[in-house]
Amino acid sequence: AQSVTQLGSHVSVSEGALVLLRCNYSSSVPPYLFWYVQYPNQGLQLLLKYTSAATLVKGINGFEAEFKKSETSFHLTKPSAHMSDAAEYFCAVSAGGTSYGKLTFGQGTILTVHP
Amino acid sequence: NAGVTQTPKFQVLKTGQSMTLQCAQDMNHEYMSWYRQDPGMGLRLIHYSVGAGITDQGEVPNGYNVSRSTTEDFPLRLLSAAPSQTSVYFCASTTLEGAHTEAFFGQGTRLTVV
Repeated sequence: AQSVTQLGSHVSVSEGALVLLRCNYSSSVPPYLFWYVQYPNQGLQLLLKYTSAATLVKGINGFEAEFKKSETSFHLTKPSAHMSDAAEYFCAVSAGGTSYGKLTFGQGTILTVHP
Repeated sequence: NAGVTQTPKFQVLKTGQSMTLQCAQDMNHEYMSWYRQDPGMGLRLIHYSVGAGITDQGEVPNGYNVSRSTTEDFPLRLLSAAPSQTSVYFCASTTLEGAHTEAFFGQGTRLTVV
C-alpha cells in the first residue's frame, strides 16, 4: 500500500523567494512519484515525475524535486517564486507495474505568492 | 487535440436522483480512472479500468458504478445520489509505458447534491 503526506496545507511566500513544498511517501515497492499543479477551476497538470532514473528531477515552470529514498521524501522546490505560481500542488505516488495508473494523492498544499 | 473530455462541467442533483458523468479520451490509452476531490483530502480513486471490459474498485467505490465498453469512454454512474457525493469529479487517462507513465486529467465535473 502507498500513502503520501504533504506537510503544510498552506504555504505563503513573497515573489522572488524560494518555494519549498514538502512531500513524504510510504510505499512497499519502489515508487513512482509525481507532482501535479491545479489552478482554480482547472484540472491537474503534471509538473514533474520520478520513475527510478535520476534522483533530481526537473519539471516545467522552473520547478524541480529530489527523490531521497533514505528520507522517503520528494520535496518540490523553485528558486524564485512568481505570482503565476499561486495554485494548489499535489504530490502523488503509484506502485508501478500494472498499478501505474493507481495514484495515491497527498492532501494538497495551497501556495500563495505575495507581491 | 482534445485529450480527456468530461461532461457536464456542472450539475445539481436532488437526493435520490441518478446520473452519468461522461469521460472520453482520444489518446488510445488503456488505463482510465475516476477520482473525487474534496477539500483537504486530495484526490481519491473511485474506480479504474485497465482496458475495455475490465474495471475494478478504488479507495471509495460505494455509490458508484462504472463500465468500459470501448477504449475511449469510461462513464461514471451515480445510482441514487446522496449529499455525501457532493464533490468535484476528475477522470484521468494514463499511459502505461514505464518511465513514460503519465496521467492526463479532464477539467472536472462539479457535482452538488441537495
